[in-house]
Amino acid sequence: EAGVAQSPRYKIIEKRQSVAFWCNPISGHATLYWYQQILGQGPKLLIQFQNNGVVDDSQLPKDRFSAERLKGVDSTLKIQPAKLEDSAVYLCASSLDNTVEAFFGQGTRLTVV
Amino acid sequence: AQSVSQHNHHVILSEAASLELGCNYSYGGTVNLFWYVQYPGQHLQLLLKYFSGDPLVKGIKGFEAEFIKSKFSFNLRKPSVQWSDTAEYFCAVNVENQGGKLIFGQGTELSVKP
Repeated sequence: EAGVAQSPRYKIIEKRQSVAFWCNPISGHATLYWYQQILGQGPKLLIQFQNNGVVDDSQLPKDRFSAERLKGVDSTLKIQPAKLEDSAVYLCASSLDNTVEAFFGQGTRLTVV
Repeated sequence: AQSVSQHNHHVILSEAASLELGCNYSYGGTVNLFWYVQYPGQHLQLLLKYFSGDPLVKGIKGFEAEFIKSKFSFNLRKPSVQWSDTAEYFCAVNVENQGGKLIFGQGTELSVKP
């Protein structure tokens, strides 16, 4: 079974620029999550989708972060404009539904300089 | 707010030593508990999980964890570590009926010396 695919693996941008990350979840998984993992910390949930609807975006900085999951499959996470403190690994995860364990992608490491 | 605390940031052991990594959470309701592992250069993988039933759960690669409800703890154990267990270990909690959101601890880096 193919895992959760993310791209790009690495991205370096200057502050105030914009960036987008892409995630393709495991086929058939209705629930998709975006987590932010800052160096030395555990992952923190940014947003959770159930199919193409948002379930939880309480910790998403909505003034600069946005995410969508068109057609309930792939998802993109965008940051505009980026700040230095956005440097982190952005993890995408998916699960069959929101009651079972999630499978994680390899993440996108973002460096903002 | 719910939180998860892992007691050790970095643990160094020799091969064949026993391992115990501490994890405590703060939430009084029903929770599901997980340990994830991240090997160098790889993605987070599930080691084991506790949803209900026997509080001693066994996972992959000889790992086990014990849920002690009265102590709000879910410590990870392995009787004899190997060099290949070198990785970062994350404890995570999911609060029942609040969707699948995971609240992670800060992680424990385990280094096993050959």
